[in-house]
Amino acid sequence: EAQLLESGGGLVEAGGSLTLSCAVSGFTRRYAMAWVRQAPGKGLEWVSSISSSGDSTHYADSVKGRCTMSRDKSRDTLYLQFNSLTADDTAIYYCAKFSRWFSSPFDSWGQGTLVTVSS
Amino acid sequence: QSALTQPPSASGSPGQSVTISCTGTSSDIGAYNFVSWYQQHPGKAPKLLLYEVTERPSGVPDRFSGSKSVNTASLTVSGLQAEDEADYFCSSYADSNIVLFGGGTKLTVL
Repeated sequence: EAQLLESGGGLVEAGGSLTLSCAVSGFTRRYAMAWVRQAPGKGLEWVSSISSSGDSTHYADSVKGRCTMSRDKSRDTLYLQFNSLTADDTAIYYCAKFSRWFSSPFDSWGQGTLVTVSS
Repeated sequence: QSALTQPPSASGSPGQSVTISCTGTSSDIGAYNFVSWYQQHPGKAPKLLLYEVTERPSGVPDRFSGSKSVNTASLTVSGLQAEDEADYFCSSYADSNIVLFGGGTKLTVL
């Protein structure tokens, strides 16, 4: 069974930087993955996606230029490096697995890690 | 990258049916049959409910069904049960490998 475990969240000052991690296990092959966030009491917002090989990444306009998604294939770990953080980035950040490619649904989710940006 | 539009709330009595709409554009819902629905209980991670408009993952009851017409997708929950009370989010694939979500609908079982 797929398991996704996020870490790295916490309190950070506006303008600061943060790196989130997602440890992946229980897969027999690599899949395209994504980060999805949810501001307190709000809806889901897709943040970024990365291909199974790590060669292709895509970002929401709201974070483009401020964050970089990557994956360490040897450690089965995903990363989301974030800079120039603002209060609007305060959210629970979920790591999610595409069932196949970027057009497929998210069939596994982590429990999320909370990022709070203080202004 | 505009979010899909969902009603903020919906409700029904046990045993009744409820339909939640999700409106997009000709660049997302209207262009692809890659519409998914997710169920989220308070404090929990979202759970995949439907994908490719009408398909149910293993373990999802057939009380949950989906449809699509032009730029609007719909989720119908039949035979409402108390445990169906949750937030429901639609999602669609869009051009350039973008994923869009709806704002979410809070379903209350009266």
